[in-house]
Amino acid sequence: EAQVTQNPRYLITVTGKKLTVTCSQNMNHEYMSWYRQDPGLGLRQIYYSMNVEVTDKGDVPEGYKVSRKEKRNFPLILESPSPNQTSLYFCASSQILQGMPEKLFFGSGTQLSVL
Amino acid sequence: AQKVTQAQTEISVVEKEDVTLDCVYETRDTTYYLFWYKQPPSGELVFLIRRNSFDEQNEISGRYSWNFQKSTSSFNFTITASQVVDSAVYFCALSEARSSGSARQLTFGSGTQLTVLP
Repeated sequence: EAQVTQNPRYLITVTGKKLTVTCSQNMNHEYMSWYRQDPGLGLRQIYYSMNVEVTDKGDVPEGYKVSRKEKRNFPLILESPSPNQTSLYFCASSQILQGMPEKLFFGSGTQLSVL
Repeated sequence: AQKVTQAQTEISVVEKEDVTLDCVYETRDTTYYLFWYKQPPSGELVFLIRRNSFDEQNEISGRYSWNFQKSTSSFNFTITASQVVDSAVYFCALSEARSSGSARQLTFGSGTQLTVLP
């Protein structure tokens, strides 16, 4: 089954404790990206990647890191989480068509709470 | 910088009514793509449509239709004869090239919560 798998679904942590949210897709998509969803703000892009070893900042990259060592995986790293990073996070992937992501397939989301 | 505005935060209609969700965008690019996504109460995000900036033809898919007007920078979404299952948050999004020409960023609007009452 074609899917984007995010783990964990729920995570509660404390300020400053490094964490990683994993994202994996099995559709051989070139494009992968991370978003956070906050009430009233919709989805805001954190980072995206057009291919292996190619990453770029989205609208809200501060406090986050990503890596794309393999095509299927795109982990989101919070080196020193803070309470303002409490949010619902989505990973997505897409094939690229005419230089643009064609349509995003989203993971189920990760609800992160930073105390 | 690119921007997407969904001015309608919440809309409530009675089943079988038609409803239009507005989306207004800003971009400096001549080549860009517009999208609509649906987020039902279960939380997953579902792709609905992708439209490129050179194709202004309206599109219809069952009860769903989209009206793209470059002159007003709008890409509105209409649901005809709404049903309770249409209740969801709907997001409009824009993808344009960065000034570098090689990268693509996707910007979402803040979403419209549609509630269809039985």
